[in-house]
Amino acid sequence: DTAVSQTPKYLVTQMGNDKSIKCEQNLGHDTMYWYKQDSKKFLKIMFSYNNKELIINETVPNRFSPKSPDKAHLNLHINSLELGDSAVYFCASSRTGAPGNTIYFGEGSWLTVV
Amino acid sequence: TQLLEQSPQFLSIQEGENLTVYCNSSSVFSSLQWYRQEPGEGPVLLVTVVTGGEVKKLKRLTFQFGDARKDSSLHITAAQPGDTGLYLCAGAGGNNDMRFGAGTRLTVKP
Repeated sequence: DTAVSQTPKYLVTQMGNDKSIKCEQNLGHDTMYWYKQDSKKFLKIMFSYNNKELIINETVPNRFSPKSPDKAHLNLHINSLELGDSAVYFCASSRTGAPGNTIYFGEGSWLTVV
Repeated sequence: TQLLEQSPQFLSIQEGENLTVYCNSSSVFSSLQWYRQEPGEGPVLLVTVVTGGEVKKLKRLTFQFGDARKDSSLHITAAQPGDTGLYLCAGAGGNNDMRFGAGTRLTVKP
């Protein structure tokens, strides 16, 4: 069983569209994250949720809106997609948000905006 | 400015060679982690170091945490093609979230 699963794995869409990426973890973890990895492979945190509550919201455009219906799910909705949004988006989870906890990553969602 | 600076950015070596990659910062970390990411996959944790001066070994990989807990190194002995990947270090940021360095892309040629 996949610990952190996200869908879709690949997404190609036009500028201006709205799209969502779904994420689920079956590890029973309290904390979930969204990371963005750009073409230079730099992995940057976007959001962190603990038990459905937003903990971290980095300087991400408000076109990006995370939603956590329960602690096992953290979805990412993106409005009015721009070319610069093209990247790999990783969902992740950890037992708690404390430093030193292992972060378990999904396989990534490869978003291409054309 | 990145919290964690990794060097070298790229490294290409022959099978059987030894190598060391570095992760440096001006900040002190309560813990530091190393992850490996293979193409098309998410990063996977290799090790967590928590004590200054700590050395941990994972088969042919040796991880060291600096005495001042500001830096870390990863040494690979007798590298194999299966070691190819992106090596990322991560330390806790201001909000206690794990911040990643830009990574070292290692290629081991057969």
